[in-house]
Amino acid sequence: NAGVTQTPKFQVLKTGQSMTLQCAQDMNHEYMSWYRQDPGMGLRLIHYSVGAGITDQGEVPNGYNVSRSTTEDFPLRLLSAAPSQTSVYFCASSYAGTSGYEQYFGPGTRLTVT
Amino acid sequence: AQSVAQPEDQVNVAEGNPLTVKCTYSVSGNPYLFWYVQYPNRGLQFLLKYITGDNLVKGSYGFEAEFNKSQTSFHLKKPSALVSDSALYFCAVRDGGSQGNLIFGKGTKLSVKP
Repeated sequence: NAGVTQTPKFQVLKTGQSMTLQCAQDMNHEYMSWYRQDPGMGLRLIHYSVGAGITDQGEVPNGYNVSRSTTEDFPLRLLSAAPSQTSVYFCASSYAGTSGYEQYFGPGTRLTVT
Repeated sequence: AQSVAQPEDQVNVAEGNPLTVKCTYSVSGNPYLFWYVQYPNRGLQFLLKYITGDNLVKGSYGFEAEFNKSQTSFHLKKPSALVSDSALYFCAVRDGGSQGNLIFGKGTKLSVKP
């Protein structure tokens, strides 16, 4: 049981380039989400999904796209990278619903945009 | 709007002493509260949660947290700190209108000195 996996671990992009951050989970969780972590700001929700084919915006969605074609995968796309997107990105998953299910986090992707 | 506050950016404790990391929250309805720990260059690890029931919640690695409804607090505690407890700690509350979204505090850096 690998849990939540993310690739790549590190990435350097030039301004304007695009890329996809990969996230996969093997726990059959309906809910998946992407956060970015910046110093002194905690984690901020970018996009989330409560099941295959369903996605929605979080607190800071601009400049990012997501899709959820399968339960297991939830890729995050940067459309045209900007220096403000330099951050550490975390994917997380949990069971969905109104109960207090805890989220499981991946190891993160450290992205630098120059 | 729901929110979480961690009033201390850093907490310093001597090894063997008790530690407290503070968290206060603001929610409408019943709160679902969580504590996570992040070691350097790692993802977040779930420590414990409060959903309902006993106000004292026990979690991983000897940590516990006390839910206080009148003070809207959910402080993390440990009777005897270890140097290996040094890490970044996040308090989070579930967004009541969502199927799993978490709202995080900005984090508290715990430093335990020998």
